[in-house]
Amino acid sequence: DTAVSQTPKYLVTQMGNDKSIKCEQNLGHDTMYWYKQDSKKFLKIMFSYNNKELIINETVPNRFSPKSPDKAHLNLHINSLELGDSAVYFCASSQDGGGLNQPQHFGDGTRLSIL
Amino acid sequence: QKEVEQNSGPLSVPEGAIASLNCTYSDRGSQSFFWYRQYSGKSPELIMSIYSNGDKEDGRFTAQLNKASQYVSLLIRDSQPSDSATYLCAVNRGGGSYIPTFGRGTSLIVHP
Repeated sequence: DTAVSQTPKYLVTQMGNDKSIKCEQNLGHDTMYWYKQDSKKFLKIMFSYNNKELIINETVPNRFSPKSPDKAHLNLHINSLELGDSAVYFCASSQDGGGLNQPQHFGDGTRLSIL
Repeated sequence: QKEVEQNSGPLSVPEGAIASLNCTYSDRGSQSFFWYRQYSGKSPELIMSIYSNGDKEDGRFTAQLNKASQYVSLLIRDSQPSDSATYLCAVNRGGGSYIPTFGRGTSLIVHP
């Protein structure tokens, strides 16, 4: 009965490769997010996706692209991986319908290591 | 640029004491405020949410919000070693904005 699940849990790959991380939530939430947490533990928002509206953090390189086949899924595709992409990536979801924001529910994270 | 500031710590308190964690934010239009706890190697989990000025209590945790002074704090009473973690403050403008801003977190160590 996992609420927000992301796969894989660990991803080790070489520089220059393309990889995807999948995220699914079974909470019925209408907003999903991707975060990057670097070695200094700073949690940085990358994208949020609500009702087919994608909001992008402008500092995120365009090698990163989110894809949402439906409301319950938000996958993250990364092209041409670089050493600096090594981090933990968290998927999250929340029930936001305008007005006050609701808390976010986080997945367990995907630890990406670039060789 | 919206900013959320937290003292990185570590904040070290003895078991049984009150731990006080503070957070200030720059966006005066912020409406929603959250405290998350993150254990090492784990994902953030919600501790408290607060939306109105004043105090909100839940068990050993009390969140305090002062919008005029633009700060939000978290008090942990009767601190336990299991409370040792990083505490993240998150702020959101609300009203259709889905981009939260997180602080860098405060590391709390509760020693026996």
